[in-house]
Order: sequence, then structure tokens, then C-alpha cells
Amino acid sequence: NAGVTQTPKFQVLKTGQSMTLQCAQDMNHEYMSWYRQDPGMGLRLIHYSVGAGITDQGEVPNGYNVSRSTTEDFPLRLLSAAPSQTSVYFCASSYDRGGNQPQHFGDGTRLSIL
Amino acid sequence: GEDVEQSLFLSVREGDSSVINCTYTDSSSTYLYWYKQEPGAGLQLLTYIFSNMDMKQDQRLTVLLNKKDKHLSLRIADTQTGDSAIYFCALRATGGFKTIFGAGTRLFVKA
Repeated sequence: NAGVTQTPKFQVLKTGQSMTLQCAQDMNHEYMSWYRQDPGMGLRLIHYSVGAGITDQGEVPNGYNVSRSTTEDFPLRLLSAAPSQTSVYFCASSYDRGGNQPQHFGDGTRLSIL
Repeated sequence: GEDVEQSLFLSVREGDSSVINCTYTDSSSTYLYWYKQEPGAGLQLLTYIFSNMDMKQDQRLTVLLNKKDKHLSLRIADTQTGDSAIYFCALRATGGFKTIFGAGTRLFVKA
């Protein structure tokens, strides 16, 4: 049982490059989300999905796209990388929106934009 | 908007109790969580409390909620070096999906 798997674990990009951060879960969770973690700022929600084919914006969506074609996968795309997007990115999933259903987090992708 | 505040650092000696504090502004929050993040890893849910509770105890962990002052605390009894990590306070409203996280408190445990 792998839980939430994120790839890659580390990535360095040049300004203007694009890339996709992968997230997959094997728990049949409907809810998936992407956060970024910056020093002293906690986690901020980028995009989330409540099921296959349904996505919505979070707190800081600009510069990022998502899609949810399957229940298992929720990739995050950086369209044109900027230094301000240097951060640690976490994908999370949960069974439903019930508060007693905890979010399961991946181990993160550490992204540096030069 | 909603805001969650935590002190950034806490240092304790091994065997002592640790108390990590959190204050929040959103009065509609129903679920209040404590997550733990170890180096190089994602967040792991430690415990949670409903807003209609004052206290919850789970082994070495005690969560206290003061709704009037909008103050949440996590007490770790007999703190061990393995408890060294970042602890996040987080809130979620009833029926809502969005979870608001604090900036995290880095706990240092000295042997």
C-alpha cells in the first residue's frame, strides 16, 4: 500500500521552462489537492479536485494548471516557471470531505527555479 | 479571512512536557487538527478535535481547546528526541474542503 506517491522528489528548472509534478494515490480517495510550503508561511492550497473530471482553484492558483482524468492521478503543471515558484510542493488526498477523514500527504517535491 | 498563528520555535529537554500553541480567527471552524512533519517527509495527522470539545487525550498527546479565546494547544508528555519535528495547527469548517494551516512550530528536543 503506497499511499500518496509524488515524483520527482527534487527538480531544478530554469526560468521559463515548463514541467509536470506527478501525484498518484492508491487508496481510491475522491479528494486530492496540491499545496506549496514556503518558510514561515505554512501550507497554501494551489488547486484541488473533488473527483475525476472536477477541479477548482485554491488560494494561490496563478501559474499552475491541474487536471483529473482518473481517480488515482492528479498532476500539477507549471506553465512557465518563475523563481517565485521555488518551493516544496505537497500532494494530499482524502476519502471525502468529512472532517474526521484526514488528509494523507505525499513526501513532497522540492523545486528550485533558477 | 481566516488566519492561524503559531510560534515558530520551541526547545525542550528530553523527558519534559512540550506545549505548542495556536491561535485562530475563524469562528466557523469545526475540525481542528495537529499535523507532524519530520525532515524530508510530508505531513502526518497526529490528532484532531471537534469544536464542541474542550479536551482530547491520546496516549502522550493532550489537545486543549479554548473556544472563547480561539486558542488551541498540543501538549506532548515525556518528550523524546523522536518528537523533534515541525508541528502544524490546521482548521476546517463544517462541510468545507479548505483546510487552513498555520506556519508550523519547529520543536527541538535536547538530550
